[in-house]
Amino acid sequence: QKEVEQNSGPLSVPEGAIASLNCTYSDRGSQSFFWYRQYSGKSPELIMSIYSNGDKEDGRFTAQLNKASQYVSLLIRDSQPSDSATYLCAVKPGNTPLVFGKGTRLSVIA
Amino acid sequence: EAQVTQNPRYLITVTGKKLTVTCSQNMNHEYMSWYRQDPGLGLRQIYYSMNVEVTDKGDVPEGYKVSRKEKRNFPLILESPSPNQTSLYFCASSLSQGATEAFFGQGTRLTVV
Repeated sequence: QKEVEQNSGPLSVPEGAIASLNCTYSDRGSQSFFWYRQYSGKSPELIMSIYSNGDKEDGRFTAQLNKASQYVSLLIRDSQPSDSATYLCAVKPGNTPLVFGKGTRLSVIA
Repeated sequence: EAQVTQNPRYLITVTGKKLTVTCSQNMNHEYMSWYRQDPGLGLRQIYYSMNVEVTDKGDVPEGYKVSRKEKRNFPLILESPSPNQTSLYFCASSLSQGATEAFFGQGTRLTVV
């Protein structure tokens, strides 16, 4: 059973701080990793993808991947109240369907 | 505008009454899929389709049917809905199975009483 684990939260951070969201996965052969943001009652929105070890930056977002530790994270710098949402980690184990984590709820306090 | 369109957005129905949730995408995507999302369980895949006339079961296919007669449409059919199928449903699409689900529909909130 391929699994993707996330802390459900809520993770509360003050406005302007760095939010750190973490995810571990069980399938060592996984090659593609994604972060989605989902506002309450809305559909998931793809915000980051990462395929190789290291960091990938896009604006205030940085995805980090460590395949040896089977660990992927998302950092949000200068967190804003509008970043308050549930963040879903998703992993693609080869050419098979995406496996989602249950999500971490982030709350940014103004 | 590139989009995945689901209908209806909200539906309340009674146990055993057949229903269909439609999903249509305008991006010529090959890969389409259906998910349900429940509190504490996250997103779980119901069925997916790699192309026209090619469908396969996801993690929770029991009680659901799908069809893919045209590339743009991928309806989800509940032949005899039961209360445990009360959930938030999402349709998603991508260029191919090798890509990620980049586009999600707006969601359908289904209540079965």
